Amino acid sequence: AQSVTQLDSQVPVFEEAPVELRCNYSSSVSVYLFWYVQYPNQGLQLLLKYLSGSTLVKSINGFEAEFNKSQTSFHLRKPSVHISDTAEYFCAVSDSGSGNTGKLIFGQGTTLQVKP
Amino acid sequence: GAVVSQHPSRVICKSGTSVKIECRSLDFQATTMFWYRQFPKQSLMLMATSNEGSKATYEQGVEKDKFLINHASLTLSTLTVTSAHPEDSSFYICSASETGGNYGYTFGSGTRLTVV
Repeated sequence: AQSVTQLDSQVPVFEEAPVELRCNYSSSVSVYLFWYVQYPNQGLQLLLKYLSGSTLVKSINGFEAEFNKSQTSFHLRKPSVHISDTAEYFCAVSDSGSGNTGKLIFGQGTTLQVKP
Repeated sequence: GAVVSQHPSRVICKSGTSVKIECRSLDFQATTMFWYRQFPKQSLMLMATSNEGSKATYEQGVEKDKFLINHASLTLSTLTVTSAHPEDSSFYICSASETGGNYGYTFGSGTRLTVV
C-alpha cells in the first residue's frame, strides 16, 4: 500500500517569491508521482508527473518537481509565484507495476496563498 | 487532450431521494473510471474503481448499496447516491484512465451535492 504526506497544510508567500511545496511518499513498490492543482469548486488539473526517466519534471507554467528516490520525496517548486497560482495543490502516487490499476492515492493537500 | 465531462456540476436534493451523477470520457475510451469524494478543505478520498462491464470495486468503508456505480460503456460511468442524507453532502469527482496502457488520469469538474 502507498501513502502520501504533504508536510504543509498552508503555505503563504508573497508574489514573485520562490515557493516549495513538500511531498513525501511511502511505498513498497515502484511508483508514479503526480502533482495536481485544484481551484475552488473545480476538478483537478494535472500539473506534472513523473513516470520514468529524468527525475526533474517541469510544467508549462513554471513549476517543477524532482523525484528523489532515496528520500522518497517529490517536492514541487516555482522560482517566482503569481497571484494566479493561489490554489490547492495535491501530491499523488500510484503503483507503477504491471498490476497498475491507475488508482491514485492523494496527500492531504497544500493551500498556496500568494499575497500581493 | 483527454476530456472528462461530469454532470451535473451542482445538485440539491431532499433527504431520502436518489441522485445520479454522470461521468463521460469525451475523446477516449475509459476501461476504468474512479470516483472520489472530497470534504471541504480536505483531500480526495477514493470511493470506488469502476470497470467497464464488471462490478465496481469499493474501498473499505464505502457502502456499495448506497453508492451505486454503473460502467455500462467505455465512455460512461454513473454514480447514484441512494436515499441521500445530509451527511452525504460533499464534492464528488470522477477520474478516467485511458486504455492502451498509457496511464493518463483525467478528472471531471466535480459535482457539488447538497442534501437538505
